[in-house]
Amino acid sequence: DAGVTQSPTHLIKTRGQQVTLRCSPKSGHDTVSWYQQALGQGPQFIFQYYEEEERQRGNFPDRFSGHQFPNYSSELNVNALLLGDSALYLCASENQWTDGGYTFGSGTRLTVV
Amino acid sequence: AQSVSQHNHHVILSEAASLELGCNYSYGGTVNLFWYVQYPGQHLQLLLKYFSGDPLVKGIKGFEAEFIKSKFSFNLRKPSVQWSDTAEYFCAVRNQAGTALIFGKGTTLSVSS
Repeated sequence: DAGVTQSPTHLIKTRGQQVTLRCSPKSGHDTVSWYQQALGQGPQFIFQYYEEEERQRGNFPDRFSGHQFPNYSSELNVNALLLGDSALYLCASENQWTDGGYTFGSGTRLTVV
Repeated sequence: AQSVSQHNHHVILSEAASLELGCNYSYGGTVNLFWYVQYPGQHLQLLLKYFSGDPLVKGIKGFEAEFIKSKFSFNLRKPSVQWSDTAEYFCAVRNQAGTALIFGKGTTLSVSS
């Protein structure tokens, strides 16, 4: 059990569509980050949310947006999907006040056709 | 920009062989370093982490890593691998802002019995 829950596990979308991915952090964690993992690559940081605000963003276009809710869960939205957006999207959570490191979910496999 | 280099893309070993996976990072200041493992079909799991103190860090499943500041390295080691260690291994460094992990491209370890 990862402790971080992501849904859905798999998704197929058409170019130009929009997608929403969801994440529930591990119990006791207040910070959620999203990563994109392309095939054969390491995860790349998209953004981090803390206290319902985007704290930092990686090198991703504005088509990628997110939200954090009062219960610390989070959504990742991607608009105007491109073929290159096909990847495994990982959610990671941590507690700002402990040194436990990030806990990752199992990811959502997004395929854009 | 900070970066992480993992020297070995694919390592093939027989059971009971010793393992060392290389990792170099680019940032010269205070670093938080991590090794994660991703077993086939599973989520990223934290193997070990280094924040400060003893540069020899022991993790789960018999893994250890040594932080050598002068070499900007954080190599992962295991004296005797098992078939169950077959997985993808990722080295990561926390960015200067403390908000994200920067990952290497990963090393695939295949252990034959």
